[in-house]
Amino acid sequence: QLVLTQSPSASASLGASVKLTCTLSSGHSTYAIAWHQQQPEKGPRYLMKFNSDGSHTKGDGIPDRFSGSSSGAERYLTISSLQSEDEADYYCQTWGTGIQGVFGGGTKLTVL
Amino acid sequence: EVHLVESGGGLVQPGGSLRLSCAASGFTFSSYAMSWVRQAPGKGLEWVSALSGRGGSTFYADSVKGRFTISRDNSKNTLYLQMNSLRADDTAVYYCAKTSYDSGGYCDYWGQGTLVTVSS
Repeated sequence: QLVLTQSPSASASLGASVKLTCTLSSGHSTYAIAWHQQQPEKGPRYLMKFNSDGSHTKGDGIPDRFSGSSSGAERYLTISSLQSEDEADYYCQTWGTGIQGVFGGGTKLTVL
Repeated sequence: EVHLVESGGGLVQPGGSLRLSCAASGFTFSSYAMSWVRQAPGKGLEWVSALSGRGGSTFYADSVKGRFTISRDNSKNTLYLQMNSLRADDTAVYYCAKTSYDSGGYCDYWGQGTLVTVSS
C-alpha cells in the first residue's frame, strides 16, 4: 500500500535552514513526490515535484530558498534563510497507477 | 495564468445535499484530470474524488463512495461535486485541484476552497 509518512512537527529559527522529511512506504522508494505548503487560514500551494533522480519542477514563483533532495525512500524539503511566512503546514503527496493521489499527514513548521 | 474558483459550499442539515462547482481558466481544461480534496477542521488533506480529462476514469474515497458524484463540463471549463446524504463528518473545506496529467499525478494548482458545514 502506497503510504507517505511525515513527522507531525518541526521548528527552526528565523534565518536558519530546516529539512523536512517524507518517507515512502516499502516497495515505493523510486516514486516521485510533490510538496505543498499551507499557510495558516489559506489553501494549499504547490511548491515542487521532486523525482528520485534529483530532477524537480517548481511551482509558479517558488523561491530558490525551497529545494528538494532524496535518499532511498526518503524525500526532503529544505527551506533555507527561514522567514516568518514560511511558518506553515507542509504536505508531501505522491501517486500510483490510479487517477488519485495520496497525501502524507503533514508537518507543522514553527519558525522561532 | 491558471485560476480555480470553487463555489457552492454552505450550511446543510445531515442527510441533505449540496453541489460544489469549480470554474477553471488559464489551461486546456479537457486535457487534465481534476480532483476534489477536502480538509476537515484541524486535520490534514484527504483526496475525495478525481476525474480524468474526458471523464473515462474516476476515483472516490471509501468515505464518500455511493454518496458523492464527480462530473465535469469541458465546454464550460467547470468541475462539479454532487454531495448527497451528507453527514457531520463531511464538514470540511473542499478544494478543487488541477492534476498534472490526464491520468492523475500531483496537484499543481489549487483553488481557494469552499466551506461545507453539515449540522442541524
